[in-house]
Amino acid sequence: KQEVTQIPAALSVPEGENLVLNCSFTDSAIYNLQWFRQDPGKGLTSLLLIQSSQREQTSGRLNASLDKSSGRSTLYIAASQPGDSATYLCAAYSGGGADGLTFGKGTHLIIQP
Amino acid sequence: SAVISQKPSRDICQRGTSLTIQCQVDSQVTMMFWYRQQPGQSLTLIATANQGSEATYESGFVIDKFPISRPNLTFSTLTVSNMSPEDSSIYLCSVGGGNYGYTFGSGTRLTVV
Repeated sequence: KQEVTQIPAALSVPEGENLVLNCSFTDSAIYNLQWFRQDPGKGLTSLLLIQSSQREQTSGRLNASLDKSSGRSTLYIAASQPGDSATYLCAAYSGGGADGLTFGKGTHLIIQP
Repeated sequence: SAVISQKPSRDICQRGTSLTIQCQVDSQVTMMFWYRQQPGQSLTLIATANQGSEATYESGFVIDKFPISRPNLTFSTLTVSNMSPEDSSIYLCSVGGGNYGYTFGSGTRLTVV
């Protein structure tokens, strides 16, 4: 059974810093990995989707990498802003429908002005 | 990717009552998915809803408690029945899968008092 772990559980940094969020998964047989952002009490906004054949994806100040063999993904946020404050979730997709989508518990990020 | 409109965004309900959550998608989709996110936890899949057939429920979730309707390819509802304070959660609908990743609604924050 796939397990997804996110470290750290919480992170607080000053505005302007570059930061890295980590996601690890136990079963490397994944089709893709997706990073989401969740604001308090709200739904999920998809940030980046990395296919198993890809090494990284970029969108603006965000860069996500994937190393299937080691079971790791990272989300790099450049020049952080207070508006980046949210919980960031990663989810590994192992196929077979939505029951093949396994979420981590998230990293709660606070960017201090 | 698809756009999902979910409502209500939040509600406070009395124990013993029921709440129906609606999700409308801007394109036709075969499957829609319903999730629960309990406070401080990650997402748990409740059921998969296919148009024209009964929903498929995950272990620990039953139709009497979480009846689902799927009258057409763009709409679904989830009812939380006979609510207790333990049902206080964020409920989310989702579409997608495979190589395209998943898209989520804006969430319904339910508080049962």
